[in-house]
Amino acid sequence: KNEVEQSPQNLTAQEGEFITINCSYSVGISALHWLQQHPGGGIVSLFMLSSGKKKHGRLIATINIQEKHSSLHITASHPRDSAVYICALHPNTGNQFYFGTGTSLTVIP
Amino acid sequence: ETGVTQTPRHLVMGMTNKKSLKCEQHLGHNAMYWYKQSAKKPLELMFVYNFKEQTENNSVPSRFSPECPNSSHLFLHLHTLQPEDSALYLCASSHRGGTGTDTQYFGPGTRLTVL
Repeated sequence: KNEVEQSPQNLTAQEGEFITINCSYSVGISALHWLQQHPGGGIVSLFMLSSGKKKHGRLIATINIQEKHSSLHITASHPRDSAVYICALHPNTGNQFYFGTGTSLTVIP
Repeated sequence: ETGVTQTPRHLVMGMTNKKSLKCEQHLGHNAMYWYKQSAKKPLELMFVYNFKEQTENNSVPSRFSPECPNSSHLFLHLHTLQPEDSALYLCASSHRGGTGTDTQYFGPGTRLTVL
């Protein structure tokens, strides 16, 4: 059983499209993170959320604590957004991190 | 560049070899992490060090031995590995560990192949 479920697993979009990636989880959390991993392996932290909504450029992340659900939105998608997006969460207790399997996004010009 | 460097970037080793992975952070952080990323699997947290003290060991086999001589350096010593240990090993750091509410900065990873 995975504490973090992401959907979809793979996503292909045309340049300019609005994209949504979903993350559902089953444990109480202190924080949820969205990460971006480009081919080659490097990971960049995009957002850390404990409530509400955050925006950075064309990226928006939301979280609903009651429903245990978070979404990552990309507006006006661009081929350079092609990457794997990973949801990670830190539970209320312990020193653990749980990771989703990632959503592989390809944006076609 | 995230301020976290890892060497080597690629490593091929036999099952009887002993090798070490190195991670260095230039961000003044106090917590450092080792992660394993196998193909088609989620990232797995292996070890956490906070102020040079190990605070998490996720049932990692003893053939993986971490070392944190100071807050800027983290090593992963490898010996008698198995082919299933082939994976991308990622290092990360954060200002403090144990809260999950700090942004982690990741290194580029070491791609390990065990023959």
